[in-house]
Amino acid sequence: KNEVEQSPQNLTAQEGEFITINCSYSVGISALHWLQQHPGGGIVSLFMLSSGKKKHGRLIATINIQEKHSSLHITASHPRDSAVYICAVGGRDDKIIFGKGTRLHILP
Amino acid sequence: GAGVSQTPSNKVTEKGKYVELRCDPISGHTALYWYRQSLGQGPEFLIYFQGTGAADDSGLPNDRFFAVRPEGSVSTLKIQRTERGDSAVYLCASSAGGTQYFGPGTRLTVL
Repeated sequence: KNEVEQSPQNLTAQEGEFITINCSYSVGISALHWLQQHPGGGIVSLFMLSSGKKKHGRLIATINIQEKHSSLHITASHPRDSAVYICAVGGRDDKIIFGKGTRLHILP
Repeated sequence: GAGVSQTPSNKVTEKGKYVELRCDPISGHTALYWYRQSLGQGPEFLIYFQGTGAADDSGLPNDRFFAVRPEGSVSTLKIQRTERGDSAVYLCASSAGGTQYFGPGTRLTVL
């Protein structure tokens, strides 16, 4: 069993739809990261959170430490949001364990 | 520099050859990480430097892989006798403690 599980693996939606990507983990963590990866491999860090909720523009990330679960939400989705979204958890040594990613495709 | 840079962006080599991949971290970041991402997978940890020393190299798959960071800044990942299974995107990240900032990656293809 993977230590970090994401769902769904693939998601196609229409422009404007509200998007939710889920992440569950089974290890103790110091922080959880949501990352965005565009074709070509470059990764951008979206959020790092250890409790509660963070918001940046149309992106919202929440974490429930007791349930070992996090969600990434995108409001008013746009084709430029199309990317792979990766959930990753950091242990006390900051070594990151990555999920396999969710491939999001927003249709115009 | 503005962010983490990696060179080359793409590297194609033949099975059995030696390759070096370079990472320039954000200035002042003491921690540096190497990850490998195979097709269809999330990145996997390879090695972590704190300053000049490898604090954790437990992710290196075998002794063909080696990484150095002699002056605590630039790091080089070295792969000897490359195999087709080494083909992947190699990602580097640096940190001052907390958020890791990722480079654009080097796509390695072993023919």
